[in-house]
Amino acid sequence: EADIYQTPRYLVIGTGKKITLECSQTMGHDKMYWYQQDPGMELHLIHYSYGVNSTEKGDLSSESTVSRIRTEHFPLTLESARPSHTSQYLCASSESGWGTNEQFFGPGTRLTVL
Amino acid sequence: AQSVTQLGSHVSVSEGALVLLRCNYSSSVPPYLFWYVQYPNQGLQLLLKYTTGATLVKGINGFEAEFKKSETSFHLTKPSAHMSDAAEYFCAVSGQGAQKLVFGQGTRLTINP
Repeated sequence: EADIYQTPRYLVIGTGKKITLECSQTMGHDKMYWYQQDPGMELHLIHYSYGVNSTEKGDLSSESTVSRIRTEHFPLTLESARPSHTSQYLCASSESGWGTNEQFFGPGTRLTVL
Repeated sequence: AQSVTQLGSHVSVSEGALVLLRCNYSSSVPPYLFWYVQYPNQGLQLLLKYTTGATLVKGINGFEAEFKKSETSFHLTKPSAHMSDAAEYFCAVSGQGAQKLVFGQGTRLTINP
């Protein structure tokens, strides 16, 4: 079944730890995105990719980094987690080309940094 | 450039009442418009979308939205609210040639028994 997956769903970690949030999609989409969302708040685009070896920073500055080595995989890494990184992180994907840019979202990872 | 404004960060209605969530957009190209719903601790799910053609768009769970170019609006409605409709709703805009979706600030819908 074509879908988009995120792991872990919930993560509680101490300050200074390195973490990687995983995102994979089986829809064959070229475009992928990472959003940061505080509870009850709007989405902020932090990273996006238009294909393998393509990564761009989004509208909101973030200390995280991303990589796109495979089409289906778009992991997000925090080298040294801080309490200010506590948030929900949503991954999304969309088709390439001149389409509608309709995005399909994963279930999210809720990160808590103590 | 594109932008979205959702009027009202919080809307509260009684069960069985009309739901109306407002969305106004700005776009320099013909817009594609979307409504997404987000339940607690979940990602966003597409409710409906307007691309071209019929301006009244029907979506899942009994929701519909009407594209009004003259008013630059894409309001979301449902004739009779159900308790399960309680969630956060996001309006978004894109357009041919645009590379990203632009989201509104979101509207939290609360349903009173």
